[in-house]
Amino acid sequence: GESVGLHLPTLSVQEGDNSIINCAYSNSASDYFIWYKQESGKGPQFIIDIRSNMDKRQGQRVTVLLNKTVKHLSLQIAATQPGDSAVYFCAENIWGDYKLSFGAGTTVTVRA
Amino acid sequence: DAGVTQSPTHLIKTRGQQVTLRCSPKSGHDTVSWYQQALGQGPQFIFQYYEEEERQRGNFPDRFSGHQFPNYSSELNVNALLLGDSALYLCASSLETPPGETQYFGPGTRLLVL
Repeated sequence: GESVGLHLPTLSVQEGDNSIINCAYSNSASDYFIWYKQESGKGPQFIIDIRSNMDKRQGQRVTVLLNKTVKHLSLQIAATQPGDSAVYFCAENIWGDYKLSFGAGTTVTVRA
Repeated sequence: DAGVTQSPTHLIKTRGQQVTLRCSPKSGHDTVSWYQQALGQGPQFIFQYYEEEERQRGNFPDRFSGHQFPNYSSELNVNALLLGDSALYLCASSLETPPGETQYFGPGTRLLVL
């Protein structure tokens, strides 16, 4: 699999490999985090979320890890498929606030 | 179960004109948020509506206004359009409680200002 220690705007992944997308969030008061997938010409699609009282949460082929000490969030995609090609955004929310604040996004391209 | 729907899908306007975008929330949702997404960037929060009132606003000028109807659908109005208003406008719906509950996005309206 491929891992990215720092946030990079693009990630190229071989089909079948695991991929890791990183996100550094800005506000230490944030307590709710969401990963969205946005395909070309479409709106963001919910993938998985995690609250600050958790370090890890798993979904179908995806895992989100939260490190509050360094304000870092990652999304792991297992056995990456061509349909996973998209822009991935992390979003954060502070308790009591109503808005989501989005990161810059990472474009994932899956190579056949 | 219908998701979030938006209309129109695309729109072309000229500078100075006014535009109205529409959104129907996901079934069972009572809260609507609007975001602006410029090309190559993440969505930026414009405002959120609940119980037909704007209850939080992002860093957008008063040219941006909205409305929520009793059936929870919403409109975004932009007056005196500028070239910089060209963007994808996204509507997201959620349940009111708790704050920050998962927001589900519609497909967006692509606005081009000439």
